[in-house]
Amino acid sequence: GAVVSQHPSRVICKSGTSVKIECRSLDFQATTMFWYRQFPKKSLMLMATSNEGSKATYEQGVEKDKFLINHASLTLSTLTVTSAHPEDSSFYICSPDRAASEGTQYFGPGTRLLVL
Amino acid sequence: GENVEQHPSTLSVQEGDSAVIKCTYSDSASNYFPWYKQELGKGPQLIIDIRSNVGEKKDQRIAVTLNKTAKHFSLHITETQPEDSAVYFCAASTTGGGNKLTFGTGTQLKVEL
Repeated sequence: GAVVSQHPSRVICKSGTSVKIECRSLDFQATTMFWYRQFPKKSLMLMATSNEGSKATYEQGVEKDKFLINHASLTLSTLTVTSAHPEDSSFYICSPDRAASEGTQYFGPGTRLLVL
Repeated sequence: GENVEQHPSTLSVQEGDSAVIKCTYSDSASNYFPWYKQELGKGPQLIIDIRSNVGEKKDQRIAVTLNKTAKHFSLHITETQPEDSAVYFCAASTTGGGNKLTFGTGTQLKVEL
C-alpha cells in the first residue's frame, strides 16, 4: 500500500487559534488529495477534494473559509482549521489519490484535534 | 448521490468463529468496493477490495462477495482472532468519476476469547 504521513498526530489548541495539518504522500505523486473528518464512533465524512495547483472543491456544508486547503505540490497538502472552536474537535484524515490507482485509496494515520 | 448502508453496527463473536458484515449501495454506477479496518486512534487500513467485474475475492482469512444485481456486498472473516477486533467500514465509488468514496456507518467487531 501507499505510504502516507500526517503531522501532527495530535494537537490541543485554544479556541480562536488556527491549526495547520500536513499530509505527505511519501511514495507516489498525488494529483488529488481527499480530506476527511471523523467524529467519535462515526464514519468518515469527506470534507474536500484538492487538486495540485488549483482550488479545492468542498462538500456541501463545509465552510471553505474555515477549512483552508493548500495542495502546493504533488506530495504535500495542508489543511488549516482557522479560528478553531470546540465543535471543530475531531479526527482529520487525508487520503492521496493517484490517477493510475483505479480507485484504490490509502489513508494517512490521522490527526486528532482537540479545541479547548 | 451514493448511499451506503452497513449492518450490523456491532458484532461480537467467539475466537475461531466467522464474522460477516453486509453493505448495500444505491448507485448502480458504483464499480469499486473496498473494505477498511480501523483501530482506535488510527487511520483506516485497506484490507480487501473488489471491482464490479468479479463476484468474489479472497485473501487468506478474508473474503468479499459482490452481488451487483441486488447492490450488496459482504465481508467474511473466518477463524477470527482477537487482533481482528476493530471497526470495519465498507465503501463504494465510481472509478473514473473522481474516485470519491462513500462510506458505510461502520461495524464494531469484537472477538472474544
